Amino acid sequence: DQQVKQNSPSLSVQEGRISILNCDYTNSMFDYFLWYKKYPAEGPTFLISISSIKDKNEDGRFTVFLNKSAKHLSLHIVPSQPGDSAVYFCAASGGTSGTYKYIFGTGTRLKVLA
Amino acid sequence: GAGVSQSPSNKVTEKGKDVELRCDPISGHTALYWYRQSLGQGLEFLIYFQGNSAPDKSGLPSDRFSAERTGGSVSTLTIQRTQQEDSAVYLCASSLPSSSYEQYFGPGTRLTVT
Repeated sequence: DQQVKQNSPSLSVQEGRISILNCDYTNSMFDYFLWYKKYPAEGPTFLISISSIKDKNEDGRFTVFLNKSAKHLSLHIVPSQPGDSAVYFCAASGGTSGTYKYIFGTGTRLKVLA
Repeated sequence: GAGVSQSPSNKVTEKGKDVELRCDPISGHTALYWYRQSLGQGLEFLIYFQGNSAPDKSGLPSDRFSAERTGGSVSTLTIQRTQQEDSAVYLCASSLPSSSYEQYFGPGTRLTVT
């Protein structure tokens, strides 16, 4: 039972364009959402988060959008850079999962083409 | 400062043998997490330690898995009588207790059970 789904295993984008990574969840009790980035042979690193009381959070080139009614969140990277090439995981917590137990998606591999 | 370190980075073991995986969290981080990432899957929560509180072991897949954290710092994940389905990358993360959303991950241990 996958509560957090990233249906696109990979995405290729031209340098300078917008990258949009999508994530869907099934548990309406989730109230905090994260995006992590992972380079090969390294552990994931925290990128950006959003609480369910907001619908948008911005940090430089990265913006996360949350659509609670659709149980959908997305990460926008503008402009995309070759160094953004990595695997991106979304994660969610809340409800019976507690505040520290995050449910992660399977990841989307982003490739930014120079 | 030093990040989260894990050892060994790679471990190949025969089915039925026991293995121990080690995690050194960031100094001062009282929260410690273990995750598992099997091929094609997301990060699967295994166990959570917070200070001197009883650990949350709800993610451990079977009683062959156990973990301990000595002195509130170093943690060891032990898998007894390994099976081929235990093959995965085992990731450790630590965080400040008030910032469970921002977990700092180690590079992981890739376990292969032959």
